[in-house]
Amino acid sequence: GESVGLHLPTLSVQEGDNSIINCAYSNSASDYFIWYKQESGKGPQFIIDIRSNMDKRQGQRVTVLLNKTVKHLSLQIAATQPGDSAVYFCAEMDTGRRALTFGSGTRLQVQP
Amino acid sequence: DVKVTQSSRYLVKRTGEKVFLECVQDMDHENMFWYRQDPGLGLRLIYFSYDVKMKEKGDIPEGYSVSREKKERFSLILESASTNQTSMYLCASRGPYNEQFFGPGTRLTVL
Repeated sequence: GESVGLHLPTLSVQEGDNSIINCAYSNSASDYFIWYKQESGKGPQFIIDIRSNMDKRQGQRVTVLLNKTVKHLSLQIAATQPGDSAVYFCAEMDTGRRALTFGSGTRLQVQP
Repeated sequence: DVKVTQSSRYLVKRTGEKVFLECVQDMDHENMFWYRQDPGLGLRLIYFSYDVKMKEKGDIPEGYSVSREKKERFSLILESASTNQTSMYLCASRGPYNEQFFGPGTRLTVL
């Protein structure tokens, strides 16, 4: 069936560097995408979302890029901090279905 | 801020027991969801509800049922718990712009 996947299971970066987490999706009908951050022992926390009529959206220190041509989504974190260490999930939704489909997650490790 | 709460953070049950996991949201959202999260498998949708007394199966509904008697409360029921239902269970509520907000999770262990 349709699925959402991630290229890298673990990403290690130096504090202060920029991080890029990638995600591929396969459902061409998906029109809404979200990035979540999950710290150990906690539920996923909403970071940023983007709709299919956009190709870029910026938040505080985070940017999401959407390339519908190749069905690729990325999360960029500027000036990565130790508090950014967590597992990051992308999720996609076909709004006709009402529910999100999640990738398996990428662990971001920030080295001091 | 949206608040999604779950009745227990940790739960230990025995095989065959009936288990209730409760979820409450305080933002008058119509859509609520139950997921389970397992290492290497990510979040998988069990059931969701788009209105009171309405429910729809997700990707892995077998062994589960749900109840939505009030808008703010969505319950997940394991009729007869089995060891393969040991997992982290996450409830979510969806806002008007499709963003989903999650509760803290319930880690269920079935012995």
